[in-house]
Amino acid sequence: QVHLVQSRSELKKPGASVKVSCQASGYTFSNYAMNWVRQAPGQGLEWMGWINTNTGNPTYAQGFTGRFVFSLDTSVSTAYLQINSLKAEDTAVYSCAREGALSGSFDIWGQGTMVTVSS
Amino acid sequence: EIVLTQSPGTLSVSPGERATLSCRASQTVSSGFLAWYQQKPDQPPRLLIYGASSRATGIPDRFSGSGSATDFTLTISRLEPEDFAVYFCHQYGRSPDTFGQGTRLEIK
Repeated sequence: QVHLVQSRSELKKPGASVKVSCQASGYTFSNYAMNWVRQAPGQGLEWMGWINTNTGNPTYAQGFTGRFVFSLDTSVSTAYLQINSLKAEDTAVYSCAREGALSGSFDIWGQGTMVTVSS
Repeated sequence: EIVLTQSPGTLSVSPGERATLSCRASQTVSSGFLAWYQQKPDQPPRLLIYGASSRATGIPDRFSGSGSATDFTLTISRLEPEDFAVYFCHQYGRSPDTFGQGTRLEIK
């Protein structure tokens, strides 16, 4: 069965970094692009960008350049989202989502990781 | 960016009845690249419909999607108790991908 399992919730201080993991199972990792989506408290879903799991090439949406880094470890079928220089407004649930092979829709989602930034 | 506006915000319907949810785009969604998802509390979203009208694997045929250009609809023909959830639309035809704010479907 196809799954995306994300790392646990994190509580971080402003200025720190956090790395969220998304481990895939049940399919060939490099065959499907991985997207990242953010949902801040009381807000809608925001697409952050995606990473080509074949080449490792990331694409960032506007507003998610500079402090946000997508990466991979294909040996363990895992995608990562690192956020540097955390700010209070980064507090949100971060989700990975697999892009379907036949369309750009997201056919499998991780359970989401809550990142709280507070002093 | 394409803004997706869902209506209504909350829809109250009785089990066994039909529910119709709307998603309106601020610009034409290329090639009908519009998806619908269902989300229940503490669960990840579940893909229901992609390409505006194609059901995802394992989705019951009571779920149907229709529409084109800027107006899209998700119809649930006979509501089952497990269908009460939040539904949101997603366009992936033009970068950046964008999502609607969601419609909460509640039991009447």
